[in-house]
Amino acid sequence: GENVEQHPSTLSVQEGDSAVIKCTYSDSASNYFPWYKQELGKRPQLIIDIRSNVGEKKDQRIAVTLNKTAKHFSLHITETQPEDSAVYFCAASLRGSTLGRLYFGRGTQLTVWP
Amino acid sequence: GAVVSQHPSWVICKSGTSVKIECRSLDFQATTMFWYRQFPKQSLMLMATSNEGSKATYEQGVEKDKFLINHASLTLSTLTVTSAHPEDSSFYICSARATGGSYNEQFFGPGTRLTVL
Repeated sequence: GENVEQHPSTLSVQEGDSAVIKCTYSDSASNYFPWYKQELGKRPQLIIDIRSNVGEKKDQRIAVTLNKTAKHFSLHITETQPEDSAVYFCAASLRGSTLGRLYFGRGTQLTVWP
Repeated sequence: GAVVSQHPSWVICKSGTSVKIECRSLDFQATTMFWYRQFPKQSLMLMATSNEGSKATYEQGVEKDKFLINHASLTLSTLTVTSAHPEDSSFYICSARATGGSYNEQFFGPGTRLTVL
């Protein structure tokens, strides 16, 4: 099956700085890469996703890049704010998987200091 | 759109009792629902994949007789933790995949905090 590695496990930045979280995946058949934000005790919330036919996607302060050749994708958060503090998970899903299973990274605890 | 509810949001039970958790897709039909378990400061661990009208597919190491899953309709899946013990205490989260989606987008429920005394 697919294996998703996520780094770093913790990330601390000053408010206003940028934050980058990186993930790698093992199966070249994966074609869907979502990013989730999870606050303590809450559900994971989809913040952005990218499909394999696109190299980059941006939504205001959040962007995701995908390098299919290298099999890695990254989350970029610019102008960070304290409310961005949360755990972020990347995930990958296999093309043609009728069950649609997501393979998750281990998560990154992002802390934004005011 | 794409709202998933979960009930109850938290439950405390005595050791040896059974607990049922419901997962509902409120505004879409979900052929497939997923059940995850999450320990503090850890990632989501997939327990089983539930398909409407068929038996659930369990991940390796998950006891199917202990974690009973039923997906009786396109909007409801249930997870029953049978004979619960303190080590079953955890945060259980379901997710649903919309029927007919070309990609594997999942929508998560709010989770159920289970505490077994």
